[in-house]
Amino acid sequence: DADVTQTPRNRITKTGKRIMLECSQTKGHDRMYWYRQDPGLGLRLIYYSFDVKDINKGEISDGYSVSRQAQAKFSLSLESAIPNQTALYFCATTSSGSGNTEAFFGQGTRLTVV
Amino acid sequence: AQSVTQLGSHVSVSEGALVLLRCNYSSSVPPYLFWYVQYPNQGLQLLLKYTSAATLVKGINGFEAEFKKSETSFHLTKPSAHMSDAAEYFCAVRNSGTYKYIFGTGTRLKVLA
Repeated sequence: DADVTQTPRNRITKTGKRIMLECSQTKGHDRMYWYRQDPGLGLRLIYYSFDVKDINKGEISDGYSVSRQAQAKFSLSLESAIPNQTALYFCATTSSGSGNTEAFFGQGTRLTVV
Repeated sequence: AQSVTQLGSHVSVSEGALVLLRCNYSSSVPPYLFWYVQYPNQGLQLLLKYTSAATLVKGINGFEAEFKKSETSFHLTKPSAHMSDAAEYFCAVRNSGTYKYIFGTGTRLKVLA
């Protein structure tokens, strides 16, 4: 099983609908992230959380919200989806423990807003 | 503020030729630097990382990168390209004191037979 699991893997939704993307991890990491990938723009940080009670906005948080339900779960919501939110979304995790530096990524969720 | 610049959004090389993907960073403090690879329809996989232990870093699949502080660069190389290397490559930076990862815009590598 994957260490970082995103559900769903693919989703098509209509403009104006609310949608939630979910992320769960079995790595025991305390820090979790949501990124958005668009062609030619790389990965841009939407929100990040350093523990259950700590939520921070990234560079492109407008139109998104998040919830850290538990250390292992971090969900991303689009309250009212719009077509320019069509993108590939990635969840990532890392640990604040010593000796760990890199982020670990899920397989991604491809979201299409029509 | 941290930033990462990847020169060349698309790079094509012949099979067996040298691969060179460029990455320059800006950081006010010594950073951690990473190269990730993304194969089609997959997530990002770590290729290698620089954490100040050694300036020449070896990674998986024959890739390596050299940290050059004077040039603020962390270019990725592989002596001989293989067809299976075709993918998108991302350079990323994280300051040692923070846990925010900043990514470049990516370089798509095409390997020609």
